[in-house]
Amino acid sequence: EVQLLDSGGGLVQPGGSLRLSCAASGFRFNTHAMMWVRQAPGKGLEWVSSITGRGDDTFYAKSVKGRFSVSRDNSKDTLYLQMDSLRVDDTAIYYCTRGRSEGAVDWFDPWGQGTLVTVSS
Amino acid sequence: QSALTQPASVSESPGQSITISCTGSSSDVGGYELVSWYQQYSGKAPKLMIYDVNKRPSGVSTRFSGSKSGNTASLTISGLQAEDEGDYYCCSYAGGSTWVFGGGTKVSVL
Repeated sequence: EVQLLDSGGGLVQPGGSLRLSCAASGFRFNTHAMMWVRQAPGKGLEWVSSITGRGDDTFYAKSVKGRFSVSRDNSKDTLYLQMDSLRVDDTAIYYCTRGRSEGAVDWFDPWGQGTLVTVSS
Repeated sequence: QSALTQPASVSESPGQSITISCTGSSSDVGGYELVSWYQQYSGKAPKLMIYDVNKRPSGVSTRFSGSKSGNTASLTISGLQAEDEGDYYCCSYAGGSTWVFGGGTKVSVL
């Protein structure tokens, strides 16, 4: 069974940093692009970042570019999201999710259970 | 990148059909055959229901179907059931390896 387990969320002050992790199992991790999608409390979904299966290409939403960094360790089947210079409006549940193939996103399936990031003083 | 436009809510009686629209532009919905739809129950992670505009993943009920015309994609749920209540989101490729979601539609079964 394909599973994604998100972790690393918590409470952080504005301007602070946090690193999220997503442990994958049940599929060949390095053959799929991986993504982060977030959902602010009571709001809709927002694509945050994508990374190819080999980790050689990364993409970001304008709202997080220059502050967030996505990476992966294919030897550990784990996806990461390093979040720096956090702002109050980064408060959200962060989900990791899997794409169609090594170099293509195309869809988001399945999704992790999500990890809550709260940015507040 | 602005969110795709969806109706905030749709309500219908059991057994009836509903259609949720998802309107974008020629830079996203209208420009690519990469529209997908997600179902989300309260407090749960989203679930893929439709991909590539009109394809259903294995295990998704045939009551769910997708289509696209111009810059507007649609999700139709036929034979509405109580278990279909939840939030539905569309998503489209927006060029430059970026993705955009709709604002979400709350489906209520009366």
